[in-house]
Amino acid sequence: EVQLVESGGGLVRPGGSLRLSCAASGFRVSTSYMSWLRQAPGKGLEWVAHIEKDASLKYYLDSVRGRFTISRDNAKNSLYLQMNSLRDDDTAVYYCAKDGGGWSVNWGQGTLVAVSS
Amino acid sequence: DIQMTQSPSTLSASVGDRVTITCRASQNVDMWLAWYQQKPGEAPSLLIYKASYLQTGVPSRFSGAGSGTEFTLTITSLQPDDFATYYCQHHKRYPRTFGQGTKVEV
Repeated sequence: EVQLVESGGGLVRPGGSLRLSCAASGFRVSTSYMSWLRQAPGKGLEWVAHIEKDASLKYYLDSVRGRFTISRDNAKNSLYLQMNSLRDDDTAVYYCAKDGGGWSVNWGQGTLVAVSS
Repeated sequence: DIQMTQSPSTLSASVGDRVTITCRASQNVDMWLAWYQQKPGEAPSLLIYKASYLQTGVPSRFSGAGSGTEFTLTITSLQPDDFATYYCQHHKRYPRTFGQGTKVEV
């Protein structure tokens, strides 16, 4: 059974950093397409970042490019999102997801990131 | 970026109703369109991918149709478990944008 468990969220001041983790089980991240998505409180869904199977290609939402980095650790079977220079509008529940051919098939339960002074 | 627009934003319905939600893309996305269901406090779950392919385990009362710029999600006989918010998302290229959501309520 595919399971995804996010961690690392919390309260951070504007300009600060956080590293989100997503522990995967039931499949190998090394052979999977993976994404991060987010949902601001009371708002809709927003795709954030994607990493290809061979990790050679990574894609980012324009508003996070240069601040966020998606990566993975095959040995730990985990996905990460390093978030720097955080802003108020980055406040959201962040989900990791295992993708199919472009759609997000399996989602974690999410981790809340709150950016506030 | 491709903009996705759903209608209506809110839909009032009853158990047993046939419900249709529309999603329009600002550019041609061919068949690269997915639908998700989200219940309060839960993560989204995939219903439909490639416009009309039903995800494994999703009840057959859900169906998707369309191509190009106009798509629909239909629930043939609404069940109590179906009251939720539904989102479309294109997956033609990056960024993979979502519609604003359609809340199906009593």
